[in-house]
Amino acid sequence: NAGVTQTPKFRILKIGQSMTLQCAQDMNHNYMYWYRQDPGMGLKLIYYSVGAGITDKGEVPNGYNVSRSTTEDFPLRLELAAPSQTSVYFCASRPPGSRHEQYFGPGTRLTVT
Amino acid sequence: TQLLEQSPQFLSIQEGENLTVYCNSSSVFSSLQWYRQEPGEGPVLLVTVVTGGEVKKLKRLTFQFGDARKDSSLHITAAQPGDTGLYLCAGGYGYSGAGSYQLTFGKGTKLSVIP
Repeated sequence: NAGVTQTPKFRILKIGQSMTLQCAQDMNHNYMYWYRQDPGMGLKLIYYSVGAGITDKGEVPNGYNVSRSTTEDFPLRLELAAPSQTSVYFCASRPPGSRHEQYFGPGTRLTVT
Repeated sequence: TQLLEQSPQFLSIQEGENLTVYCNSSSVFSSLQWYRQEPGEGPVLLVTVVTGGEVKKLKRLTFQFGDARKDSSLHITAAQPGDTGLYLCAGGYGYSGAGSYQLTFGKGTKLSVIP
């Protein structure tokens, strides 16, 4: 199993541009999450999904959108990128029946200038 | 909003020394997890504690969940350079099995073990 994969690894955007951060998992996990990590600030939950077709907002959803058309994929869309969205983005998944175990991808480092 | 305070924020010690990292909150959590994160990588789960007063050992690492399930500690014995990294605690809350079960993370403790 590849686990949780994320693409791209790095990206530089200009203010106002849009992009999609890709996340995929091959472990048949139904729960998936998007976090952002800023220096010295821990991880903040952006959006999460409990299964295909079902998504919900986390703590910091403004400026982002998600979709979940399959169990495997959970893309994060940034519309009209702003410098405040400069961060490292992590996708995670959780298996059914387990409250506790989240498996994280390697992250995408995004810079908006 | 559930908040977790981690201390210290930075810790630099010599190889062979012992250390303790603390994670405190005014909120009660269903579980408390510890993750370790290397530069350029995602967090990796080390341990989960779910019962108040629970102690778990993982080789040289000892994890404890407070009796009231509001705080936790991570103790490392005889630290080694390979222990260097960012240690994150995360408190779990919400309803069991539900998608609303989420984690709130502390800001992390950056540990450097000098050979």
